[in-house]
Amino acid sequence: GAVVSQHPSRVICKSGTSVKIECRSLDFQATTMFWYRQFPKQSLMLMATSNEGSKATYEQGVEKDKFLINHASLTLSTLTVTSAHPEDSSFYICSASEAGFPGGQPQHFGDGTRLSIL
Amino acid sequence: SQKIEQNSEALNIQEGKTATLTCNYTNYSPAYLQWYRQDPGRGPVFLLLIRENEKEKRKERLKVTFDTTLKQSLFHITASQPADSATYLCALDGTGGFKTIFGAGTRLFVKA
Repeated sequence: GAVVSQHPSRVICKSGTSVKIECRSLDFQATTMFWYRQFPKQSLMLMATSNEGSKATYEQGVEKDKFLINHASLTLSTLTVTSAHPEDSSFYICSASEAGFPGGQPQHFGDGTRLSIL
Repeated sequence: SQKIEQNSEALNIQEGKTATLTCNYTNYSPAYLQWYRQDPGRGPVFLLLIRENEKEKRKERLKVTFDTTLKQSLFHITASQPADSATYLCALDGTGGFKTIFGAGTRLFVKA
């Protein structure tokens, strides 16, 4: 089955640090990747849609200068939380859809990154 | 705007029984509806996808129904096992670049 690898799984750092999270599709090409944020007992909140070779599309209310997304290849997208503050602490999850799959596309998720800003 | 409702209260059932989870939605007619399983501290795992023209879909012990008139999907796990304990998310999906929208999930506990 399609596998998405996300690293790191956990980050604890001081306020003001920038943190980079990687999301890789291991056995398929992903023209589109998605970045979500999840709070306890709440639904996945889509932050942005990452498209290979073009700029990411950010959801309303998500600061693109705060959450930098790069999708440089068909297998790798990165999310950088710049100058992170305690309010950025959350569970960040990426997902990818297989390129060329017709119709509704199941999303394959990474295992998430628990970000804690002190 | 589109809205998905899943029972926020946890569902507790005895091993061997059938678990039934409900997903209701409003203000949209999705082309697809998906179900995912999420374990604590992990990303969701895709389980089943059902199309708007399908009434029912099965996969091993799982069964999903899709009633576009009631705007509801039911997710059944038959012969439930403690290992089925997890949070189950439903998601609305469409075509033409429509982004997938997830419900908050229902927590299922299966007691041995």
